[in-house]
Amino acid sequence: GQNIDQPTEMTATEGAIVQINCTYQTSGFNGLFWYQQHAGEAPTFLSYNVLDGLEEKGRFSSFLSRSKGYSYLLLKELQMKDSASYLCAPGGRSYIPTFGRGTSLIVHP
Amino acid sequence: DADVTQTPRNRITKTGKRIMLECSQTKGHDRMYWYRQDPGLGLRLIYYSFDVKDINKGEISDGYSVSRQAQAKFSLSLESAIPNQTALYFCATSFSGRADTQYFGPGTRLTVL
Repeated sequence: GQNIDQPTEMTATEGAIVQINCTYQTSGFNGLFWYQQHAGEAPTFLSYNVLDGLEEKGRFSSFLSRSKGYSYLLLKELQMKDSASYLCAPGGRSYIPTFGRGTSLIVHP
Repeated sequence: DADVTQTPRNRITKTGKRIMLECSQTKGHDRMYWYRQDPGLGLRLIYYSFDVKDINKGEISDGYSVSRQAQAKFSLSLESAIPNQTALYFCATSFSGRADTQYFGPGTRLTVL
C-alpha cells in the first residue's frame, strides 16, 4: 500500500463540526480524493484537491498540503445522514488510486 | 437507470466453484477497475483496465482473472473459489480525460462456503 493513515472511528454530535485527517507517504499523484461510503453501499465522490489549500463545497471542505503529506476533510453542521465511512485516496491522471482504510464517522443526536 | 451495474448483487457458492462477476457501464468511460472490500481492510485493487486492450494486475490479483469484453464491460472471474474470497466486490469506472474520478457500481456480496 501507500501508507495512508486515517483514524479508524470518530464520533460527533449533530450540528457540530468534525475534521477527519489523512496522512500519506506517497508521491507522484496528481490530486487527492475523498469519498463517502454508507454502510453496505458503494463509495461516492466527495472532493478532489489538485492544489494545496482549502476547497470548499457546501458543508464539506477538503484541504491538501503536499509538502506535509497531509489532507483533511471538514464537515460542518453535521447531520445524522453524514454517518458513514470517509475514504482518503491519492490519485488522479493515471495514478492508480490507493484507498485508505477509511474513517467511520458516527453522528449522534 | 444506474450508470454502473454489477451482476449478481449477491452470490453464495461453494469452495472450488468457478464464479464470474460482471460489470457494465453506460458512462462512456475508458477505464474500469475491480476492488474487493473486507471489514477493517478498506478497498483493495484486484485488476484494472485503461482500455479494451489493456489489463493490469492490482495489489491482490492472485486467484482472480479478468476479461474486458468491450469498453463498457469488465468481468471478474474466480477460477476456483475459496472461503477467504468471501468479500464485497466493487467495480468502478473513470475517464482518463477528467481527473480519473472513480464511479462505483453497487457491489456484489460474495460468500464462499
